[in-house]
Amino acid sequence: DTGVSQDPRHKITKRGQNVTFRCDPISEHNRLYWYRQTLGQGPEFLTYFQNEAQLEKSRLLSDRFSAERPKGSFSTLEIQRTEQGDSAMYLCAKTGGALTGELFFGEGSRLTVL
Amino acid sequence: AQTVTQSQPEMSVQEAETVTLSCTYDTSESDYYLFWYKQPPSRQMILVIRQEAYKQQNATENRFSVNFQKAAKSFSLKISDSQLGDAAMYFCAYRRVFRANTGNQFYFGTGTSLTVIP
Repeated sequence: DTGVSQDPRHKITKRGQNVTFRCDPISEHNRLYWYRQTLGQGPEFLTYFQNEAQLEKSRLLSDRFSAERPKGSFSTLEIQRTEQGDSAMYLCAKTGGALTGELFFGEGSRLTVL
Repeated sequence: AQTVTQSQPEMSVQEAETVTLSCTYDTSESDYYLFWYKQPPSRQMILVIRQEAYKQQNATENRFSVNFQKAAKSFSLKISDSQLGDAAMYFCAYRRVFRANTGNQFYFGTGTSLTVIP
C-alpha cells in the first residue's frame, strides 16, 4: 500500500462528456503530482501541487483540463468535453518523506472515451 | 529539457538468471536523483531502487542493484536470480533536487517490458 487512493478506478464515457478523478494521499504530504500514461508509454507529467498551490502545469494540460487541491489534502482532476485522445491512465502520486523524495503512486484511474 | 531514454522495449530472462536493463539520461544538473520503478500488469507502479547522484557507491536492494555511471549519464538496473514475480514493465526516472516552485517534476523513460521464462 503506497498510501495514495484514486477514484474511480475505471471510467467509460462518451466523447464530449466531462469527467472528474479524485486522488487522496492517505497521509497528508505537501507534494502531489498528476501524470498521464498511455498504453506502452511511460508516465507523462501533467501538473504538480505543493500544498494547495498548483505550481507547475505541463503543456499537455490543455484548457479542457483543470486540477485543484483545496486545503492541500485531496486533489481532483477534471477533463471537460472529453476527446478520444484523452483515453489513458491518470496517475496520482505523492512524494515520500525520505530525503530523496521518491514518488508513491496510486493505482490510477483509467479513462476510456468512446 | 531533461530526457530519459530506455533503448530496450522488451527483454527476457530465464528464471534464476541475471538481466540488465539500460537507461540513459540527459541533464545539465550536477545533483539529482535517479529511480527505477516496476509496474506489473494492471497493477500500480512501485519503487524498486533509487540513487543519489552525489553518491559514488551504487545502490543495492536485495536482488536489485544499479550501475550508475555519472559521466556517461547511464543508470542500468541489474536483477539477479530472476523470479517469475519480476515480470513487469520497468521505468527509469530522473528528478533534480527540489527547488522552489518549478522544475520539480519527475521524468520517465518509455519503459522496458521484462519477461521471465520459467
